[in-house]
Amino acid sequence: EAQVTQNPRYLITVTGKKLTVTCSQNMNHEYMSWYRQDPGLGLRQIYYSMNVEVTDKGDVPEGYKVSRKEKRNFPLILESPSPNQTSLYFCASSLAFRGDGNQPQHFGDGTRLSIL
Amino acid sequence: TQLLKQSPQFLSIQEGENLTVYCNSSSVFSSLQWYRQEPGEGPVLLVTVVTGGEVKKLKRLTFQFGDARKDSSLHITAAQTGDTGLYLCAGATGTYKYIFGTGTRLKVLA
Repeated sequence: EAQVTQNPRYLITVTGKKLTVTCSQNMNHEYMSWYRQDPGLGLRQIYYSMNVEVTDKGDVPEGYKVSRKEKRNFPLILESPSPNQTSLYFCASSLAFRGDGNQPQHFGDGTRLSIL
Repeated sequence: TQLLKQSPQFLSIQEGENLTVYCNSSSVFSSLQWYRQEPGEGPVLLVTVVTGGEVKKLKRLTFQFGDARKDSSLHITAAQTGDTGLYLCAGATGTYKYIFGTGTRLKVLA
């Protein structure tokens, strides 16, 4: 089954304790992306990756890191989490970024992070 | 920063009524996608509109992309309880980013 898998689904942790949220897709997609979703703000793009070893900042990259060493995996790293990073996080992938075409983003089911 | 404003933010209607959701920006997008999100799940694509002035229909849902590719609308005819959910628009920029709207939470009452 084609899917985007995020882990963990839920995490409660404390300020400053490094954490990684994993994201894996089995569709051989080139474009992958991380978003955070906060009430009243919609989804905001944190980082995106056009392909292996190619990553770039989205609109809200502060406090986050990513890597893309393999095509299928795109982990999100919070080196020193803070309470303002408490949010619902989504990973998404698409075959490619085709702004002029039909390239739907496939989303994972989300990771709810609470940072105390 | 490019922004996409959706209106209304919340909408509660009776089954059988019609509704329109708007997605507006001052920026031009190369395409615009509409997603629906259910609680506990990620957004799922409904449609992509690409050409200015384009109209696409998906059963009772009609999507329109503005002539200038800065705005879009979603019209639902004869809403059903199964249409309940969070509707999100997302614009594709010229710099490989997606900008999402603030969302419209629709509740259709039986």
